[in-house]
Amino acid sequence: GAVVSQHPSWVICKSGTSVKIECRSLDFQATTMFWYRQFPKQSLMLMATSNEGSKATYEQGVEKDKFLINHASLTLSTLTVTSAHPEDSSFYICSANNRHRAKNIQYFGAGTRLSVL
Amino acid sequence: DQQVKQNSPSLSVQEGRISILNCDYTNSMFDYFLWYKKYPAEGPTFLISISSIKDKNEDGRFTVFLNKSAKHLSLHIVPSQPGDSAVYFCAASPNTGNQFYFGTGTSLTVIP
Repeated sequence: GAVVSQHPSWVICKSGTSVKIECRSLDFQATTMFWYRQFPKQSLMLMATSNEGSKATYEQGVEKDKFLINHASLTLSTLTVTSAHPEDSSFYICSANNRHRAKNIQYFGAGTRLSVL
Repeated sequence: DQQVKQNSPSLSVQEGRISILNCDYTNSMFDYFLWYKKYPAEGPTFLISISSIKDKNEDGRFTVFLNKSAKHLSLHIVPSQPGDSAVYFCAASPNTGNQFYFGTGTSLTVIP
């Protein structure tokens, strides 16, 4: 149990286009979903926390108009990178809390590698 | 500012021996700590956790030790197996929320 699916696993896009990444909890309802970004040889950096049905809480320095997060249901959160530029190229990974289990354990998706040309 | 640090980017250990992975943190508000394991092309998977009210938690071959005064935790794997070869991340959460702050990871290689 506690499987999180992230799609796509890899996306290449042109500069100026928008890219949507989906994060789904397959066998549980997620109280909260998290979006992280990881640069090479660096740690996972929390970008935002989203609770179903409410606005996401963004970490300091993360542009909310650039990284749009929608958490429409207890099993789906999406991250849209708007007007992507080469500096947005990174590894994006989501995680989710299982509302029926310990809140402090997060279950991760496999990540999405975004390459902006 | 990196609040959780893993100063060893890599570690190699012989099969059957002990693997010790270290993690340091700076924020005294952190009160819950986890270790995650990550294989290539997969997301991190939860391994073991410890809360600040304890100084040790054991689960099979994996033991996590917490030294609050030193703001240091370590993961011991005994005996190490080739299947343990992966990147290990430590993560810490403050008592004010459920956000986690991750270290940069340590790549463990267990040599058969």
